[in-house]
Amino acid sequence: GQNIDQPTEMTATEGAIVQINCTYQTSGFNGLFWYQQHAGEAPTFLSYNVLDGLEEKGRFSSFLSRSKGYSYLLLKELQMKDSASYLCAVMDSNYQLIWGAGTKLIIKP
Amino acid sequence: GAVVSQHPSWVICKSGTSVKIECRSLDFQATTMFWYRQFPKQSLMLMATSNEGSKATYEQGVEKDKFLINHASLTLSTLTVTSAHPEDSSFYICSARDSTSGDHYEQYFGPGTRLTVT
Repeated sequence: GQNIDQPTEMTATEGAIVQINCTYQTSGFNGLFWYQQHAGEAPTFLSYNVLDGLEEKGRFSSFLSRSKGYSYLLLKELQMKDSASYLCAVMDSNYQLIWGAGTKLIIKP
Repeated sequence: GAVVSQHPSWVICKSGTSVKIECRSLDFQATTMFWYRQFPKQSLMLMATSNEGSKATYEQGVEKDKFLINHASLTLSTLTVTSAHPEDSSFYICSARDSTSGDHYEQYFGPGTRLTVT
């Protein structure tokens, strides 16, 4: 079966760095996405990785290792507005997104 | 950037009635649109994939006669929840894929519709 695993909840301090991990097992792979979702709102796109390595975009970076079925989202210089759920999703061989349950990130002052 | 709208943003209806939710791609054509449902504190659950001009493909466990999907044009898909019951109360989100883009990857999400059935 297809499976995406990520921690349910994480807590971090404002100004710090946090890494949210995601492991996956899917039928085929056409890329891995990270989305941010604030409560009561739709997801917003953060990053897309299809090749191994690190993609940096401002305060956010995303890493992928296809051989390990593993990705992480790194958030630097945390701000209170970064409190949200972070969703990991993998696009399978049918170009369909398989979603993780999301990681709720709590930022404390 | 690509924009997807949904209407209404929230709706309250009585049990047994039907509710229609619209999903529009405002500045691009979308051959394929997706309908998701999200219960509180849970992740997105794909309900169906909607293809313009053809029947929708429903995920296992989703009743196609209860959740009617119509994708009559390249910019509009509708989801009708028929004979709604309180357990259908949820956050319904659509997304669309730009059919003119050479990239298969990105889905653009609408803002969601919160449905409450009383």
